[in-house]
Amino acid sequence: ILNVEQSPQSLHVQEGDSTNFTCSFPSSNFYALHWYRWETAKSPEALFVMTLNGDEKKKGRISATLNTKEGYSYLYIKGSQPEDSATYLCAFRANNAGNMLTFGGGTRLMVKP
Amino acid sequence: DGGITQSPKYLFRKEGQNVTLSCEQNLNHDAMYWYRQDPGQGLRLIYYSQIVNDFQKGDIAEGYSVSREKKESFPLTVTSAQKNPTAFYLCASSIMGQRRPNQPQHFGDGTRLSIL
Repeated sequence: ILNVEQSPQSLHVQEGDSTNFTCSFPSSNFYALHWYRWETAKSPEALFVMTLNGDEKKKGRISATLNTKEGYSYLYIKGSQPEDSATYLCAFRANNAGNMLTFGGGTRLMVKP
Repeated sequence: DGGITQSPKYLFRKEGQNVTLSCEQNLNHDAMYWYRQDPGQGLRLIYYSQIVNDFQKGDIAEGYSVSREKKESFPLTVTSAQKNPTAFYLCASSIMGQRRPNQPQHFGDGTRLSIL
């Protein structure tokens, strides 16, 4: 079983703060790294699929970077808003795993107004 | 609208009883997946299917069974052999294929299963 870890497990920030969290994954046999946002009472939705070392993707105030050589990805949220409150999941796809993903435990973000 | 429908939203099971969770998608996706989430843990893969009439075990398949008779449907049966079935179950689907690699997975709203 592959080891995919996210830190911190949970995070409380004030509205307007910028924040970031980490996903660590195996540095060998890399194929892709996915990020999902999971709001309470909704289904997880895809944010990014990252494949290239050094890749940086952005969607509004959310951005992500990827370092496949050292096995980590950062997710950044600039100027957090209450609607950003959710659990953020990363998922690792290995080179020989078909479409199978191994998920981290998630980072639960709570943004206080 | 295209999407994934899971039913029921809540399900209660008596000890020794099999129950089946429904998952239907109208996204025309080839691949479908079942995940389990326990409190404080990430999603763990139970079973997945890349094509009709074919499926593979994930990391925690013991005590579960699936079928894939139609592209749109991937029901999960939680059998009495699953000793700790209380959990949240998520179904997902994705595009397969060499021409469009690295597509994200699309998820349903989940089913919460509890033991009476």
